[in-house]
Amino acid sequence: AQSVTQLDSQVPVFEEAPVELRCNYSSSVSVYLFWYVQYPNQGLQLLLKYLSGSTLVKGINGFEAEFNKSQTSFHLRKPSVHISDTAEYFCAVSELDTDKLIFGTGTRLQVFP
Amino acid sequence: GAGVSQTPSNKVTEKGKYVELRCDPISGHTALYWYRQSLGQGPEFLIYFQGTGAADDSGLPNDRFFAVRPEGSVSTLKIQRTERGDSAVYLCASSLTAKETQYFGPGTRLLVL
Repeated sequence: AQSVTQLDSQVPVFEEAPVELRCNYSSSVSVYLFWYVQYPNQGLQLLLKYLSGSTLVKGINGFEAEFNKSQTSFHLRKPSVHISDTAEYFCAVSELDTDKLIFGTGTRLQVFP
Repeated sequence: GAGVSQTPSNKVTEKGKYVELRCDPISGHTALYWYRQSLGQGPEFLIYFQGTGAADDSGLPNDRFFAVRPEGSVSTLKIQRTERGDSAVYLCASSLTAKETQYFGPGTRLLVL
């Protein structure tokens, strides 16, 4: 069965610093990978997704993620964060023959001035 | 255009009561998904509709939970004999077709007293 692990429940960082949010998955078949962001009192919003092709995926708001098949990882990065990036970030996976998303438990990114 | 809408935004009920949660997907989206997000957790898949039929209901926790989408647009999630453990945010998402990006609504926060 598929599963997604986000090891860091909280990541505190100062404004303009780089950040990496880690995501590892397990699956016996090929998968699609996603990062969603949930701002306070708002719904989930897609940041980026990997379906196929280039392993480096660029998303909205300056975020990017790299798919590493050998390490079954899909870590999210941003070179310089802003206060407005403070939110909950969820990694998700979907197997190619299903349509449901399996989410990790989320990482709360807290950006300090 | 309008996004996914869910009503009510909040619902408080007593243990044992019946509740209905409504989801209005983005116009023209044929796929509709229900997820449940408990406090401190990522969203958990419940059921997926393609058109009017439930293509995958493997995530429904038990037979107290039921969902319908009679005309292939609006969907209603129905919970019978509610229990305190049903308290969570219920999220709805829709996509243009299967395997397209899922767009999430703001959720319905259900509290069972």
